[in-house]
Amino acid sequence: GQQLNQSPQSMFIQEGEDVSMNCTSSSIFNTWLWYKQDPGEGPVLLIALYKAGELTSNGRLTAQFGITRKDSFLNISASIPSDVGIYFCAGQSGNTPLVFGKGTRLSVIA
Amino acid sequence: DGGITQSPKYLFRKEGQNVTLSCEQNLNHDAMYWYRQDPGQGLRLIYYSQIVNDFQKGDIAEGYSVSREKKESFPLTVTSAQKNPTALYLCASSKGIHMNTEAFFGQGTRLTVV
Repeated sequence: GQQLNQSPQSMFIQEGEDVSMNCTSSSIFNTWLWYKQDPGEGPVLLIALYKAGELTSNGRLTAQFGITRKDSFLNISASIPSDVGIYFCAGQSGNTPLVFGKGTRLSVIA
Repeated sequence: DGGITQSPKYLFRKEGQNVTLSCEQNLNHDAMYWYRQDPGQGLRLIYYSQIVNDFQKGDIAEGYSVSREKKESFPLTVTSAQKNPTALYLCASSKGIHMNTEAFFGQGTRLTVV
């Protein structure tokens, strides 16, 4: 099936730093979604993107739908301790359901 | 409150036993999904359903079965044929598969084989 390559696999950052992570695919997607998963919980939707080139913000989070429709990135500005968790990208195209990346595990050092 | 409810949160199974995981949603969503999460593996699709009385295999359906008799409910049975069932199981729902695909997740059921 379709696969998403999400990087980096893990990150250790200082509180206050900006964070960037991305997803790439060999396939074109019509929708890109970004989720966050806290320990012991299910993933929660952060940002949804529906058009190539679209740039969308949600508080300190900003995500973009790549022009080629094969990639997306998520930026977090001025990180805080509660940003800790696993961030997943997900893409959808054609008649297939969402496919997920393997996640980026974010650790914030106070 | 609207949302997705999975039960139980923790489940222990003896080898050779079948177990059924519950998933209920009150979001009036047509589509429902089951994902399996292992450390470092991301979310892998087991089964999905676009409408009542219809469901499709995902990428790792072997050893699992589902039913969709009601719009609100999509139970997953982990059979004895699943050789390595210890994992976190996540249920999700969305308005549709091809459009309005934003999926909302339950809290998960952590299954452990003892």
